[in-house]
This record gives sequence, C-alpha cells and structure tokens, in this order.
Amino acid sequence: DAKTTQPPSMDCAEGRAANLPCNHSTISGNEYVYWYRQIHSQGPQYIIHGLKNNETNEMASLIITEDRKSSTLILPHATLRDTAVYYCIVRVLGGTSYGKLTFGQGTILTVHP
Amino acid sequence: EAGVTQFPSHSVIEKGQTVTLRCDPISGHDNLYWYRRVMGKEIKFLLHFVKESKQDESGMPNNRFLAERTGGTYSTLKVQPAELEDSGVYFCASSASSYEQYFGPGTRLTVT
Repeated sequence: DAKTTQPPSMDCAEGRAANLPCNHSTISGNEYVYWYRQIHSQGPQYIIHGLKNNETNEMASLIITEDRKSSTLILPHATLRDTAVYYCIVRVLGGTSYGKLTFGQGTILTVHP
Repeated sequence: EAGVTQFPSHSVIEKGQTVTLRCDPISGHDNLYWYRRVMGKEIKFLLHFVKESKQDESGMPNNRFLAERTGGTYSTLKVQPAELEDSGVYFCASSASSYEQYFGPGTRLTVT
C-alpha cells in the first residue's frame, strides 16, 4: 500500500470547518483513500473513502486532487466531540491483503471552544 | 443493532501466562479482523478472517499468537506464553464487505 503523510497535529475552532490534509504521492490507480478516526480510548471509526471523485456523507467530505497525489478531509462544522486522531489510509481492494488497513501516525485534531 | 464487542475490556497477566481475547462481530459480518497497538506504536494489522477461514495472517507477530474463528461467528485470539512486549490494546473489527470496517472498543492487555 502507498505511504501517506499527514501533519502531526492541527487545531480548529468549534463551529468552523476542519480541513485535514494528506499526501499520498505514490498512490496507484487501483488504490482507494480511506479516512478513519480514533476518539480517545475508543476503537477506530470509519469516516469516508473515495477513489477519484469527491465524496460526501453525513460526517464529512473528501476532496481528492485530480492527480490523486493528495486529499483533504473536511469536517464542515467541527464540534468538541470531533477531537480525535484522524488517519488517512491508502488501500487496494484486491489481492490477499485486501482487508488490511495500514495505520500511520495520523493527525491529532483538537477542536477548541 | 449491537456493534462489535470484545471481552475482556482489560486483562492483567504475568509473563509466561496464557490469555485469550474474544471478539463478537456484528451479526452477519463474514469478515473479521484483529489489530493491535503496542505502547507508543501505530495500530498494526494482525489477521483477517473470511467466515472461518484465514484470508490473511501476514501481521501475526510469531507463533505465540493463535487466532481462531470456529463456525464463522465469534473469534478468539490466544497469546501463549505472553511476553512483556505483548502489552497493548487489541482491537477487533468486522465488515460485511471489504469497504467499511467497524471496530470494537478494544481489549487492553497488560503483561507484568
């Protein structure tokens, strides 16, 4: 799986949009971009995933650049409960290891009042 | 609908003892995964079951770890004998497809 690079930490004011960047310059054409987050002491939680097109769900939006070398996770109206570690994961959905998620260090997002 | 459950939530054992962790996936999920985070490190994949078969066990650290999923329902992860470096949080996840994995709250294992 391609390697990802994320900033170690970010801050965001409550009610504002949180934009979390991720670089994945070695991504292959058949690799998806996934985002998970881990709120303190809980298991990781799926947020969103995409291949080429931008995606939106009830939690967040995912913007993938045209060359697919980077992406941005957007939390449109961050709340204090969004404080967590956010992981950007590149994953191929094929082969023997298709189920494997490779977690990096992630970005610690702190939402403050 | 119940989420992924793990038991126990916390286990403290001495080096050399045996511990068995249990994971109950979401009902109907054929895929079950084990991950762990040891102190100060990243969350690491251990293995992946599809029903009762091991699809990928490339992340299992050594033969002291044994995972089973008899009948394709719940799974157990046994560590025998436990070593100090096995301390950490063990997560289980399940999925119906290969897209979205639902994680349990984890079992915190402390080996003294």
